[in-house]
Amino acid sequence: AQSVTQPDIHITVSEGASLELRCNYSYGATPYLFWYVQSPGQGLQLLLKYFSGDTLVQGIKGFEAEFKRSQSSFNLRKPSVHWSDAAEYFCAVGPNAGNMLTFGGGTRLMVKP
Amino acid sequence: GAGVSQSPRYKVAKRGQDVALRCDPISGHVSLFWYQQALGQGPEFLTYFQNEAQLDKSGLPSDRFFAERPEGSVSTLKIQRTQQEDSAVYLCASSLWASGTGELFFGEGSRLTVL
Repeated sequence: AQSVTQPDIHITVSEGASLELRCNYSYGATPYLFWYVQSPGQGLQLLLKYFSGDTLVQGIKGFEAEFKRSQSSFNLRKPSVHWSDAAEYFCAVGPNAGNMLTFGGGTRLMVKP
Repeated sequence: GAGVSQSPRYKVAKRGQDVALRCDPISGHVSLFWYQQALGQGPEFLTYFQNEAQLDKSGLPSDRFFAERPEGSVSTLKIQRTQQEDSAVYLCASSLWASGTGELFFGEGSRLTVL
């Protein structure tokens, strides 16, 4: 069965600092991997996705993620965090893009001024 | 509208009541999903429709949960005889394609509180 682990429940960073959110997955085949962001009162928004090819993928809002098959990881990074990035971030894995995604428990990001 | 619309946004029910949650997907989207998100947790898959066909309902937690999409557009998630453990946000998502690289678009969710 597929599963996703996000080890950090809460992370606090200072505005302008770099950010890395961890994601580890378990999946028997080549995974489709996603990062979603959920702001209060809003729906989940796709930040980026990995299907194949280049293991470093770029997303919206300046985010990027790197797929490391040997570590079963898909960590999300941003070089300089803005106060508006405060939200909950979810990593997800699936057999394809639009079908039965399995989500991690989420990481809540707080940004200090 | 341009996005996935869910109603009601908030629902308070007494234990034992039946509730119905509505999802209006993006027009023309083939696939529709329901997820349940408990407080402090990630979304968990409930069920999936391709047009009007319910292709997977393996995530529905009990036979009190029922979903339909009779005309391949609007979907309703019905919960009978609600229990406190049903309290959660119910998320609807739609995708243009039946499978493949289509992006999932999520609604804002319906927050159900069972007293």
